[in-house]
Amino acid sequence: ETGVTQSPTHLIKTRGQQVTLRCSSQSGHNTVSWYQQALGQGPQFIFQYYREEENGRGNFPPRFSGLQFPNYSSELNVNALELDDSALYLCASSLGGRRPGNTIYFGEGSWLTVV
Amino acid sequence: DQQVKQNSPSLSVQEGRISILNCDYTNSMFDYFLWYKKYPAEGPTFLISISSIKDKNEDGRFTVFLNKSAKHLSLHIVPSQPGDSAVYFCAAFNAGNNRKLIWGLGTSLAVNP
Repeated sequence: ETGVTQSPTHLIKTRGQQVTLRCSSQSGHNTVSWYQQALGQGPQFIFQYYREEENGRGNFPPRFSGLQFPNYSSELNVNALELDDSALYLCASSLGGRRPGNTIYFGEGSWLTVV
Repeated sequence: DQQVKQNSPSLSVQEGRISILNCDYTNSMFDYFLWYKKYPAEGPTFLISISSIKDKNEDGRFTVFLNKSAKHLSLHIVPSQPGDSAVYFCAAFNAGNNRKLIWGLGTSLAVNP
């Protein structure tokens, strides 16, 4: 596989709750990006972390937040869940921030259902 | 063990010609396949998908062919344009089961003017 692992694979949350999704990067990769993909749509960029700092963000509200740890693993936190947050959340790791041409490795995704 | 394989890391074609990107899979439970395009420093863009009940799906210059017996799919871009230069990812999952999305490692396409 790609070396990028995400957990949990599936989860169901209730509207208003909070959720934390986790991602372990490919070994040695210092950059991690998170994407939201609603069913039938393409992935939407949420944010990117490079060496523990956020260095890019898409059009998502502040209740979407993240962390990158010294070992370059990462978390995506979503507060005050809404029904429209139901989606596949993808994590991708690469080396070197925004350097063009880097190989990007995607995880298998976490399916979130908000009821 | 890679369940979705894109065996060509890179491909170079001339503008106006056909680009053919290949993807092989090993899991016969996959029933939905997607292609994404990704430019440097941007998120991936969904291109086209195909369900296992079909063997072809066409959207403008992009056509995806699925050969279930060979566990093989391909993306055809005709005619190729310089703006098509990007990394293309193949992905697959089982829509009715655990829906785990499995990605290939991508093919970098360069379309030369």
